[in-house]
Amino acid sequence: DIQMTQSPSSLSASVGDRVTITCQASQDITNSLSWYQQKPGKAPKLLIFDASNLETGVPSRFNGRGSGTDFTFTISSLQPEDIATYYCQQYDNLPLTFGGGTKVEIK
Amino acid sequence: EVQLVQSGAEVKKPGESLKISCKGSGHSFTTSWIAWVRQKPGKGLEWMGVIFPGDSDTRYSPSFKGQVTMSADKSINTAFLQWSGLKVSDTAMYFCAIINSGYPEAWIDPWGQGTLVTVSS
Repeated sequence: DIQMTQSPSSLSASVGDRVTITCQASQDITNSLSWYQQKPGKAPKLLIFDASNLETGVPSRFNGRGSGTDFTFTISSLQPEDIATYYCQQYDNLPLTFGGGTKVEIK
Repeated sequence: EVQLVQSGAEVKKPGESLKISCKGSGHSFTTSWIAWVRQKPGKGLEWMGVIFPGDSDTRYSPSFKGQVTMSADKSINTAFLQWSGLKVSDTAMYFCAIINSGYPEAWIDPWGQGTLVTVSS
């Protein structure tokens, strides 16, 4: 199985701050990576697919980049509604696997 | 609008059987894969496996193979996840979701609202 190591596991930032989350795959997954947002008590929501493509309707302050084994997810200007846990997921090989998640809080 | 609606919360005792459902609408149920994802209380997401309702082709994560059974009834646009002998450790939220692709190696979207399964003596 491909292991996805996501960091940090949690972070606290101020409104307007730039927030960056990293995800490392245990082997080359090319660009087969997606990012999800999960708010408390809700189902996950797709934000980015193919490492850097923004899902329709997702605000442009969300950004993804990377390829191979190293990926980053950025919120350019943190908003109060962005409080959530974020997960990366690889789909290069079955079984699909998720990172451990990053809980984002407001300072 | 593509939508998945899951069955309601369940409370069961250890050893009991259970079958939960996931009904799709607004998309071709027989040309997309349906994934199941587990989330234990306060924990992360775990991919359990996928089923292709068109022909019931099923791929399980090694962690869940033999522990659950995935099935689908394309005549009613519904996928199912079942257990024959629940354990306390099966307590979790279970999500179904669409892999909008002809192959299971793709991103997952949209998701159902989740079914909370509680197993307690």
